[in-house]
Amino acid sequence: EPEVTQTPSHQVTQMGQEVILRCVPISNHLYFYWYRQILGQKVEFLVSFYNNEISEKSEIFDDQFSVERPDGSNFTLKIRSTKLEDSAMYFCASSPGVQETQYFGPGTRLLVL
Amino acid sequence: QKEVEQNSGPLSVPEGAIASLNCTYSDRVSQSFFWYRQYSGKSPELIMSIYSNGDKEDGRFTAQLNKASQYVSLLIRDSQPSDSATYLCAVNSGGYQKVTFGTGTKLQVIP
Repeated sequence: EPEVTQTPSHQVTQMGQEVILRCVPISNHLYFYWYRQILGQKVEFLVSFYNNEISEKSEIFDDQFSVERPDGSNFTLKIRSTKLEDSAMYFCASSPGVQETQYFGPGTRLLVL
Repeated sequence: QKEVEQNSGPLSVPEGAIASLNCTYSDRVSQSFFWYRQYSGKSPELIMSIYSNGDKEDGRFTAQLNKASQYVSLLIRDSQPSDSATYLCAVNSGGYQKVTFGTGTKLQVIP
């Protein structure tokens, strides 16, 4: 069964460093998402991406965040200058259409020191 | 602010019993509703989606939606210890792509 994949599974970085989290969405899906979950808290929406552009973003997704689909399969989240409070599990998701089921990848656990 | 509310639990049920999980949402124009299961340290895994009022059954799971009361529930029949997890209610509002999650209800199935 097709699934969303994410790399790396764990990332440790120093405050102020840039990180890139990578995702391969399900191949025939058209909508891609990033969510984050701070330890012990709920899953929070960051951004959605459709037709090679951001279609929706939350207030969390400020100028330090960016997303890109550099080729036909990968979908990336870049955090330009990481802060301690960026430490969280980051989930990529994809869906075949708008308001349809979103399928989640296994996540990248980011720790900012 | 669109909210999705769940009782955080834990909800403890004996093995073989029915577990009932509840969720309310604030946005009346919400159109798509999802139940995800999340094991500790893992990603949300879809249990069921429901889009129209009434019941939807899939194996041991039944989702119930009442849009007038802004209420969605999940019943798990014949609960198994492997069902022990946090169950996340998620709602997609009309015109938006994002899904808003509740804080989740932790279910413990006691052998």
